[in-house]
Amino acid sequence: DIQLTQSPSFLSASVGDRVTITCRASQAISNYLAWYQQQPGTAPKLLIYAASTLESGVPSRFSGSGSGTEFTLTISSLQPEDFATYYCQQLNSVGTITFGQGTRLDIK
Amino acid sequence: QVQLVQSGAEVKKPGASVEVSCRASGLTFNFYYVHWVRQAPGQGLEWMGIINPRGGSTTYAQKFQGRVTMTGDTSMTTVHMELSNLRSDDTAVYYCARGEWEFKANAFDIWGQGTAVIVSS
Repeated sequence: DIQLTQSPSFLSASVGDRVTITCRASQAISNYLAWYQQQPGTAPKLLIYAASTLESGVPSRFSGSGSGTEFTLTISSLQPEDFATYYCQQLNSVGTITFGQGTRLDIK
Repeated sequence: QVQLVQSGAEVKKPGASVEVSCRASGLTFNFYYVHWVRQAPGQGLEWMGIINPRGGSTTYAQKFQGRVTMTGDTSMTTVHMELSNLRSDDTAVYYCARGEWEFKANAFDIWGQGTAVIVSS
């Protein structure tokens, strides 16, 4: 199976900060990568698909980039509602989908 | 309103089976895959498998093969996930999610609200 490694696992930041989360795949996955946001006690929410396409309704301060094995999620200016856990997910093969271990973003 | 509605929480004893259902509201599964994902308390997301409701074909994560069964009904609006021979480490919230293969590179764009399954003697 393709392994995904997110870094950092924990991130402390302030409102207005720019933050970047990295996701590395153990083998090339083209652009079959998605990013999700999960608030405590709720289902994950799709933010980015195809590595860089913003899901409808997601604020433009979120952006994704990358291809192959290295990907990033950037939040340009943190808002209070952005403090959550973020997961990357590889969808290169729908029969063996995997998630990164998650990045918890806390308020500093 | 387009949403996936899951069945309610379950408490089961070790060795028992549990079935979780996922009903589509405002959409059908005609042209989509449905995935199941679980999340143990305080842990990350774990993919369990996929069903194509249109033909009933399934693929399960190796970890769950032999214990999980995913089915769909002919109305193309409800899918079910059964997990058998439950253990305490199956305690988790189970989610269904729609896989949008045509326009969103297989991403999971709609999720159910989650079903808590507690396995305890």
